[in-house]
Amino acid sequence: DVKVTQSSRYLVKRTGEKVFLECVQDMDHENMFWYRQDPGLGLRLIYFSYDVKMKEKGDIPEGYSVSREKKERFSLILESASTNQTSMYLCASSLLGQGGRRNYGYTFGSGTRLTVV
Amino acid sequence: AQSVAQPEDQVNVAEGNPLTVKCTYSVSGNPYLFWYVQYPNRGLQFLLKYITGDNLVKGSYGFEAEFNKSQTSFHLKKPSALVSDSALYFCAVRDRNAGNMLTFGGGTRLMVKP
Repeated sequence: DVKVTQSSRYLVKRTGEKVFLECVQDMDHENMFWYRQDPGLGLRLIYFSYDVKMKEKGDIPEGYSVSREKKERFSLILESASTNQTSMYLCASSLLGQGGRRNYGYTFGSGTRLTVV
Repeated sequence: AQSVAQPEDQVNVAEGNPLTVKCTYSVSGNPYLFWYVQYPNRGLQFLLKYITGDNLVKGSYGFEAEFNKSQTSFHLKKPSALVSDSALYFCAVRDRNAGNMLTFGGGTRLMVKP
């Protein structure tokens, strides 16, 4: 079964810490995405990547950076964690140029619930 | 630009009754449409998709959705709701001719009561 794995289900960090959220997929997908999910705000795209060493800003990139050194791994970095970054973080992946019946949209990881205290 | 609207924040239904979760979309071309379900403290799981062909699409757990091009809608339905269907449901759209990005609706919480 294909998988997107997020390294931590629950994480508690202190304000000002540098935080790494890791995501690994085993489907050889080109596209990878990081979202945050907050009550009443739905899914908001932070960053995405179409290829190794490539990154694009999403809707809310401020306070975050990303790294994609290998195709299967996409890391989200909180340079200096703040309490307003307490949220559920979701990683997803998809094929590039999905067409026809192979198109399954995105495959999501189980999420990381981050609390910044 | 593409967009999705889920007009109801929450839908309440009694177990055994039919359920509908509404979704309307806007794209400049032809759409790919998806439904995802999210259980508490989990990621989103794929339920079903419309790519082409029959307007009625059947998916996991007995869910189905009907693509209506004239009304630009893709409502999720199930003939008989289960308590275990209680979850958060997301509709998503991608314009076939506009890259690889899905646009998600805001989500609808489905509450099925015994």
